[in-house]
Amino acid sequence: AQSVTQLGSHVSVSEGALVLLRCNYSSSVPPYLFWYVQYPNQGLQLLLKYTSAATLVKGINGFEAEFKKSETSFHLTKPSAHMSDAAEYFCAVSGPNSGYALNFGKGTSLLVTP
Amino acid sequence: EAQVTQNPRYLITVTGKKLTVTCSQNMNHEYMSWYRQDPGLGLRQIYYSMNVEVTDKGDVPEGYKVSRKEKRNFPLILESPSPNQTSLYFCASRTLTGGHTDTQYFGPGTRLTVL
Repeated sequence: AQSVTQLGSHVSVSEGALVLLRCNYSSSVPPYLFWYVQYPNQGLQLLLKYTSAATLVKGINGFEAEFKKSETSFHLTKPSAHMSDAAEYFCAVSGPNSGYALNFGKGTSLLVTP
Repeated sequence: EAQVTQNPRYLITVTGKKLTVTCSQNMNHEYMSWYRQDPGLGLRQIYYSMNVEVTDKGDVPEGYKVSRKEKRNFPLILESPSPNQTSLYFCASRTLTGGHTDTQYFGPGTRLTVL
């Protein structure tokens, strides 16, 4: 089965600092990886996705993620945090072994301090 | 506007009282799914549907039912709710034409409390 592990349930950064949210995947076949963001009292919104076309994926709101097969990782980064980035972030994996379901990590809550 | 809608957004009920949460999408998607979100557990799939009249269990189907009589609608039914079904529920949909890489679109969520 395909799965993802998000390291750190809570991450706190200062406004303007680098954001790094970690996601490691487990898959016996090439995975398709996604990052979703959930703002308070809202549904999930796709930030970016890895579809094997390019290892460095750029998403919305200045976020990007790099697929590293050797490290089985797909960490999410943003060079400079804004207060509006405070939200819950979910890494998810899909692929032939999971049908069309998304298998989510447990989420990382990002706090941005002034 | 392309969207997934859910109703109600908030619901408080009592144990054993049947309820239905509706989900509708206007994107002509074949695939629809229900997830529940619990603190520290992320999102877990309850049921999914590949097309009209085709449904199957996800990871946590116990205590839930679904139906897919029309392509746009995918209601979630709790025939005898229990307190352990208190959760935040999301409906999602996607097309199947692009394979595994197509984006899944989520509704705004339904917060259910079972007393």
